[in-house]
Amino acid sequence: DAKTTQPTSMDCAEGRAANLPCNHSTISGNEYVYWYRQIHSQGPQYIIHGLKNNETNEMASLIITEDRKSSTLILPHATLRDTAVYYCIVRDLTLRANTGNQFYFGTGTSLTVIP
Amino acid sequence: DTEVTQTPKHLVMGMTNKKSLKCEQHMGHRAMYWYKQKAKKPPELMFVYSYEKLSINESVPSRFSPECPNSSLLNLHLHALQPEDSALYLCASSPGAASRRWGNTIYFGEGSWLTVV
Repeated sequence: DAKTTQPTSMDCAEGRAANLPCNHSTISGNEYVYWYRQIHSQGPQYIIHGLKNNETNEMASLIITEDRKSSTLILPHATLRDTAVYYCIVRDLTLRANTGNQFYFGTGTSLTVIP
Repeated sequence: DTEVTQTPKHLVMGMTNKKSLKCEQHMGHRAMYWYKQKAKKPPELMFVYSYEKLSINESVPSRFSPECPNSSLLNLHLHALQPEDSALYLCASSPGAASRRWGNTIYFGEGSWLTVV
């Protein structure tokens, strides 16, 4: 699996956009980019995923560069409840028979939203 | 509804005890997972079940024994654990087949906090 690189920590002012970068320079053509977050003492929460095109949902936007070697997760108006560790994961969805889907987490970015 | 339910939320056990962690999902997912997470570390994959068969074991010690009684349930049997096995144990599930809409997204439960004394 391709590995990802994320900054260890970031701060963001409440109400401002939080832009979380992720490098995945060895990503292959079949690999999707996934973002999860984990609020302290809770299970990881799915945020968004994409392959090539930019994606947006009610939680966030995902911007993937044209060469797909990096992406940015955007939380448009960060709130205190967005303080969490954010994980960027790449995963090939071409499933091999009966192997399930291995998701390996990197170290993530600890985002702190400041009042 | 994207809910994975884990019980118990907290478990304290002695090193000679036998206990089990339980996980349930009713989303019709055919792949289920166990992860272990130590404090301030990312989750680490332990086991993957696909269509009720164990497909991946990430070299987990035999004192952890997974079981998938049916497509909705996943258990993790614990025996002769060590204090260093204390961690948050996360269960997850995914559809088991890639789809353009869901992309085989994995959904996690809230975890079971295990303390071995």
